[in-house]
Amino acid sequence: ELKVEQNPLFLSMQEEKNYTIYCNYSTTSDRLYWYRQDPGKSLESLFVLLSNGAVKQEGRLMASLDTKARLSTLHITAAVHDLSATYFCAVPMWLTFNTGKLIFGQGTTLQVKP
Amino acid sequence: EADIYQTPRYLVIGTGKKITLECSQTMGHDKMYWYQQDPGMELHLIHYSYGVNSTEKGDLSSESTVSRIRTEHFPLTLESARPSHTSQYLCASSDAGTGNEQFFGPGTRLTVL
Repeated sequence: ELKVEQNPLFLSMQEEKNYTIYCNYSTTSDRLYWYRQDPGKSLESLFVLLSNGAVKQEGRLMASLDTKARLSTLHITAAVHDLSATYFCAVPMWLTFNTGKLIFGQGTTLQVKP
Repeated sequence: EADIYQTPRYLVIGTGKKITLECSQTMGHDKMYWYQQDPGMELHLIHYSYGVNSTEKGDLSSESTVSRIRTEHFPLTLESARPSHTSQYLCASSDAGTGNEQFFGPGTRLTVL
């Protein structure tokens, strides 16, 4: 069974601190997606990582993918309150890739305090 | 920019009513999905479609039904709503051309009294 696990599930951090969210998955995949969800809102695409070693950065967020370790990280640099949200990673179901189905992690809720 | 729309955005109805949640996308994506999500919780896939006239049930059992008569339209219907159906419903679409990245609509928050 394909599993996607995020760690931690809840993160309370102070502004200007750095932290990393981890996303582990249990099957072969050459790609991974990160989404952001604000409270009461829908999911917004953050990063698409399409190959081993892929690294994407936007503002204070940087995502990377290690397909051999089946691990993606979302690194937050000098956190600010605006980054408070829930972050989801998602991996395609490889055996049914043509369906486009994704398996989502549980989500990591980030709370940035002044 | 992804163009995927859901209506209504909010719906409060009584038990036993029939409802249809609308989802439309203007991107020509062949694949569409419905997810159910309780506040602060995981996403659960309840239906998906990989083309016109093809629909499949997702990983979470749901009493809802869907149809896909046109590429751009993927409505979800509950024949008789119950309080247990209270949740947020998210529609998404994707295409091989997008690397199967899914684009999400704004969601419908359903409350059944």
